[in-house]
Amino acid sequence: EVQLVESGGGLVQPGGSLRLSCEASGFTFSDYWMHWVRQTPGGGLVWVSLISNDGTSITYPESVKGRFTISRDNAKDTLYLHMNSLRDEDTGVYYCARHLAYSFDYWGQGALVTVSS
Amino acid sequence: QSALTQPPSASGSLGQAVTIPCTGASVDVGGYSSVSWYQLHPGKAPRLLLYEATKRPSGVPARFSGSKSGTTASLTVSGLQAEDEAVYYCSSYTGSTNWVFGGGTSLTVL
Repeated sequence: EVQLVESGGGLVQPGGSLRLSCEASGFTFSDYWMHWVRQTPGGGLVWVSLISNDGTSITYPESVKGRFTISRDNAKDTLYLHMNSLRDEDTGVYYCARHLAYSFDYWGQGALVTVSS
Repeated sequence: QSALTQPPSASGSLGQAVTIPCTGASVDVGGYSSVSWYQLHPGKAPRLLLYEATKRPSGVPARFSGSKSGTTASLTVSGLQAEDEAVYYCSSYTGSTNWVFGGGTSLTVL
């Protein structure tokens, strides 16, 4: 059974940093590209980043470029999202998701990140 | 404001069918076959229902079907069941390694 479990969420002040982790199991992690997706407090979904299976190809939307860094450790079956210079609008539930044919076929249950002073 | 437009709510009676539209533009829905649909229940992991507009992953019931015409994609849920009450989101690849989502449609089963 495919499982993705996020951790590392919490309350952080504007301008602060946080690192999210996503532990994968039930599939060969190193075979798959992986995403991070955020659900905003209003309920909308926002794509945050994508990393190739070997970590050599990485992309971000303009809204997080230069502030967020996606990475992975295939030996530990773990995906990461390092978030710096956090803003109020980065608040939300962060999901890791597995890539399939330009869609997101398995998701974790999410980690809540709250950016507030 | 989401890039893709969905009605905020929809409803249907048990056993009936309901269709949820997702309207985009030529740069997303109209330009790619990479439209997908997701079901979100509170507190649970989102679930992929359809990818490439019409394909169902294994384990998704045939009651869930999709279509796409021009810049509008649609999700149809047939034979509505109580557990179908959830929020449904569409998504589209937009090229240049970017994805956009709809604002979500809250489905009520009457």
